[in-house]
Amino acid sequence: ETGVTQTPRHLVMGMTNKKSLKCEQHLGHNAMYWYKQSAKKPLELMFVYSLEERVENNSVPSRFSPECPNSSHLFLHLHTLQPEDSALYLCASSSVGSWMNTEAFFGQGTRLTVV
Amino acid sequence: GESVGLHLPTLSVQEGDNSIINCAYSNSASDYFIWYKQESGKGPQFIIDIRSNMDKRQGQRVTVLLNKTVKHLSLQIAATQPGDSAVYFCAENGGNKLVFGAGTILRVKS
Repeated sequence: ETGVTQTPRHLVMGMTNKKSLKCEQHLGHNAMYWYKQSAKKPLELMFVYSLEERVENNSVPSRFSPECPNSSHLFLHLHTLQPEDSALYLCASSSVGSWMNTEAFFGQGTRLTVV
Repeated sequence: GESVGLHLPTLSVQEGDNSIINCAYSNSASDYFIWYKQESGKGPQFIIDIRSNMDKRQGQRVTVLLNKTVKHLSLQIAATQPGDSAVYFCAENGGNKLVFGAGTILRVKS
């Protein structure tokens, strides 16, 4: 248990569906991240929120829409996905700032299958 | 642009031997580096970290070495055990994001 909780753990959705992934941390961190992990590929950074402000959007298609309502919660809203979007989606959190960076703690991930 | 990469995609070692996993990074401004272990079906887990004002840091059975001159990071695992089998990622943390390398698969043969 890392202190970062992702739900659901598994999700199967059709290409016309709308779903949301949820991430929650109560570690007092001020930055949260979404990563995509496809088979045999590096972890791909999708979005970064620092102090609830999006500071990174790594050329992610608009069918992925992040939301960070507060420093403890992060969502990834999904709509009209493609089969190639099937992957493990990982959430992470860390403390960042000019004074110090710390390691990121990861959730267990959501295994997404688009059919 | 930034990139963090690994030299070897797969490493097979005999149980009891030492393992060395290497990583190259390109952003000389990065000042904090982390090694993660990811087991099947789980998210990456922190192993050890090192800041750029150090060149070596030791943990329990693990040692991280940082060579800033050639922008190289390595993870040494002593007396490798079957439970060490996993994918290992290095990551650099500069500013407000983590950039990961491709990962190395470590297989431990009994």
